[in-house]
Amino acid sequence: GQQLNQSPQSMFIQEGEDVSMNCTSSSIFNTWLWYKQDPGEGPVLLIALYKAGELTSNGRLTAQFGITRKDSFLNISASIPSDVGIYFCAGRITDKLIFGTGTRLQVFP
Amino acid sequence: GAGVSQTPSNKVTEKGKYVELRCDPISGHTALYWYRQSLGQGPEFLIYFQGTGAADDSGLPNDRFFAVRPEGSVSTLKIQRTERGDSAVYLCASSAGADTQYFGPGTRLTVL
Repeated sequence: GQQLNQSPQSMFIQEGEDVSMNCTSSSIFNTWLWYKQDPGEGPVLLIALYKAGELTSNGRLTAQFGITRKDSFLNISASIPSDVGIYFCAGRITDKLIFGTGTRLQVFP
Repeated sequence: GAGVSQTPSNKVTEKGKYVELRCDPISGHTALYWYRQSLGQGPEFLIYFQGTGAADDSGLPNDRFFAVRPEGSVSTLKIQRTERGDSAVYLCASSAGADTQYFGPGTRLTVL
């Protein structure tokens, strides 16, 4: 099935550092979403973006919906140990979500 | 409970057997989705219900996979003649219309 291209695949950072990850697609989406998944759990929505060019923040998280509607990025500032997990972007087509391949984040104290 | 629940949490079966996976959506959510997540991958869409009817089943990989939602609440994903390649985590999500999809913890299916 179709998956969006997400990079980097994994990141190992020190607590307090900022993190940036992005997602690209060959298709246009009208909605971009960012999810976090912990082991043994389902994905949890972090941020939703509905308009091209939109920049949205949720606490230490900031995400942008690319102007071309084919890409998005997620920034996490001042990382903390509980930020560890796998981050997925997702584009929405009608009512179904197309997910990215994921970015695995590891935070060291 | 407040969230989406899925049972069983783990299912081990032998190749060729039939399995049923259950999803209890958030109360009042009219939309229900099934996704499959293989190891190291993002979830992939299988099927979407609006009420009792399957509005989009384009993600079902073949006719061994079938899902029902007879009363517009609980849904069952059924897999016939399981194959080793069916091993994955099966995720269910629900939403109130076209709103945020809330995911359950998933059922990890292992086909030996």
